[in-house]
Amino acid sequence: AQKITQTQPGMFVQEKEAVTLDCTYDTSDPSYGLFWYKQPSSGEMIFLIYQGSYDQQNATEGRYSLNFQKARKSANLVISASQLGDSAMYFCAMSLNQAGTALIFGKGTTLSVSS
Amino acid sequence: KAGVTQTPRYLIKTRGQQVTLSCSPISGHRSVSWYQQTPGQGLQFLFEYFSETQRNKGNFPGRFSGRQFSNSRSEMNVSTLELGDSALYLCASSFGTIGFGGELFFGEGSRLTVL
Repeated sequence: AQKITQTQPGMFVQEKEAVTLDCTYDTSDPSYGLFWYKQPSSGEMIFLIYQGSYDQQNATEGRYSLNFQKARKSANLVISASQLGDSAMYFCAMSLNQAGTALIFGKGTTLSVSS
Repeated sequence: KAGVTQTPRYLIKTRGQQVTLSCSPISGHRSVSWYQQTPGQGLQFLFEYFSETQRNKGNFPGRFSGRQFSNSRSEMNVSTLELGDSALYLCASSFGTIGFGGELFFGEGSRLTVL
């Protein structure tokens, strides 16, 4: 069965520092997509970054990068130069179907950024 | 460009009642998926509709159902409400075609409280 594990319930970081949020996954399907979403206190889910299982290079989107280690089945999110507005819940997710329209989510990590 | 719109945003029901939630996807999107978010279980996939057909279904009892209309708007219904159905229900839309890419856009959710 497919599974996403986020082992860090909460992380604390100071402004301008980098932070890594951990995510491991389990699937027997050779083709899959990995996603990171941010959920502020308002509740909406904001897409951050995507990595396909066949992508050779790690994905990057501005201050976000995904450290994809396929052999270890890990897909950690790295946020560089943290900002106060980064304080939110972060979810790692994996696609359940080829279209990437059905996702399985981890339990999430709460990130708190202080000045 | 209007985002994903969910109505109502908040509602309170009592056990045994039923509830219908509505989701209007982004214009042009043909896929609508639904997720339940609770503190205990986290984010769980309910089902996905594409071109009026249910394409994927999560592991939820038959009390949870949905449908999609020809204009891609979707509704989900929960019958015989239980206390455990109290949750934030999130709707997401996408073009829904084959291929990953993170093009899943979420609404702000409908927060259901069952008393």
